[in-house]
Amino acid sequence: SAVISQKPSRDICQRGTSLTIQCQVDSQVTMMFWYRQQPGQSLTLIATANQGSEATYESGFVIDKFPISRPNLTFSTLTVSNMSPEDSSIYLCSVDLGQGEGYTFGSGTRLTVV
Amino acid sequence: AQKVTQAQTEISVVEKEDVTLDCVYETRDTTYYLFWYKQPPSGELVFLIRRNSFDEQNEISGRYSWNFQKSTSSFNFTITASQVVDSAVYFCALLNNNDMRFGAGTRLTVKP
Repeated sequence: SAVISQKPSRDICQRGTSLTIQCQVDSQVTMMFWYRQQPGQSLTLIATANQGSEATYESGFVIDKFPISRPNLTFSTLTVSNMSPEDSSIYLCSVDLGQGEGYTFGSGTRLTVV
Repeated sequence: AQKVTQAQTEISVVEKEDVTLDCVYETRDTTYYLFWYKQPPSGELVFLIRRNSFDEQNEISGRYSWNFQKSTSSFNFTITASQVVDSAVYFCALLNNNDMRFGAGTRLTVKP
């Protein structure tokens, strides 16, 4: 199974600033996913990122707030822009290893906005 | 629409007790996959099991076992002889057509 490296693992940021989270996979994958997990909550899909095309955002998430890059088949970034305390969450990247193989998740980025 | 329901928000047991975590799902599709993940306090998601919709055979892995019943749309997870290290949040998930839905999670606390 693929190994996913996600960084930073955690950060404390000032409101109004932006943070870029990186996700590196050790094999080429078509689809990468970004999830948000607010404190005490389940995982919510932010967007799906395919290499060579614009990311597809879920309802409630917009590109201006969560711009995503997918420059190649092994790497993606998620930026949390103009942060507010409500953005304090764990952000996880995930990859699809193929039909039925399930999603593998990165170790997550624990973001606290103060 | 796809939906996963984990009705148990929190469960607390004493070490060595058996515990079952419930998962009920909804989907209109005949081909889908079900998963269980464990999320310890450190935050990472640990894959536990995957089941496809055509395989209703129950599975046992050490102290873990899973009961998949399509007739009741359930995919329950049992931990036998629980240990303190089993304390975590457990998520059930449903995958179909690259759409993965998670349940709300069940927080399991195993006390010594």
